[in-house]
Amino acid sequence: QVQLVQSGAEVKKPGASVKVSCKASGYTFTTYYMHWIRQAPGQGLEWMGIINPNTDITLYAPKFQGRVTVTRDTSTSTVYMDLSRLRYEDTAVYYCAREKGPGGSFDYWGQGTLVTVSS
Amino acid sequence: DIQMTQSPSSLSASVGDRVTITCRASQSIYTYLNWYQQKPGKAPKLLIYGASNLQSDVPSRFSGSGSGTDFTLTISSLQPEDFATYYCQQSHTSRTFGQGTKVDIE
Repeated sequence: QVQLVQSGAEVKKPGASVKVSCKASGYTFTTYYMHWIRQAPGQGLEWMGIINPNTDITLYAPKFQGRVTVTRDTSTSTVYMDLSRLRYEDTAVYYCAREKGPGGSFDYWGQGTLVTVSS
Repeated sequence: DIQMTQSPSSLSASVGDRVTITCRASQSIYTYLNWYQQKPGKAPKLLIYGASNLQSDVPSRFSGSGSGTDFTLTISSLQPEDFATYYCQQSHTSRTFGQGTKVDIE
């Protein structure tokens, strides 16, 4: 069965960086795009970026351009999201989500990783 | 950027009620519209993709309709497990979500 398992919660200071991992299993890793989406406490969902695990091509939301980097390791079927220059407002749950296919919906999600930015 | 506006932001309903949530896009997105259900502390769950296609294992009381800029999610007979927050999401250009609609018990 398809599973996306994310790394554990993180606490970071303002200005630091955080790297969250998402390990995929149960399907051919390079066949499906992977996205990162975040959700601040009590708020809605915010799309951050996408990676094509086959080509390593990425696309980021303008809001995060220059601060976010999404990478992948095909040998371990893992996608990573690196967010730099953290601010208090980056405190959120970060999700990875697999794109279903043509149409762009997200059919499988990771369990979420809470990143807390605190001094 | 394509903006997605959901209405209402919240609603109260009873078990058995018919519930309708609307989502409007700031420009035409054809049928590149998806709906999700999210319960507290959980990841969102895909309900409807391509505006009207029911995701596998999703109960048939959920349905979606619309094209262009106006879309609707309907729950034909609300069940206790349906109390949650619902989000629309466009996938025509990049990806954006609506602000969510919280469905709670009346």
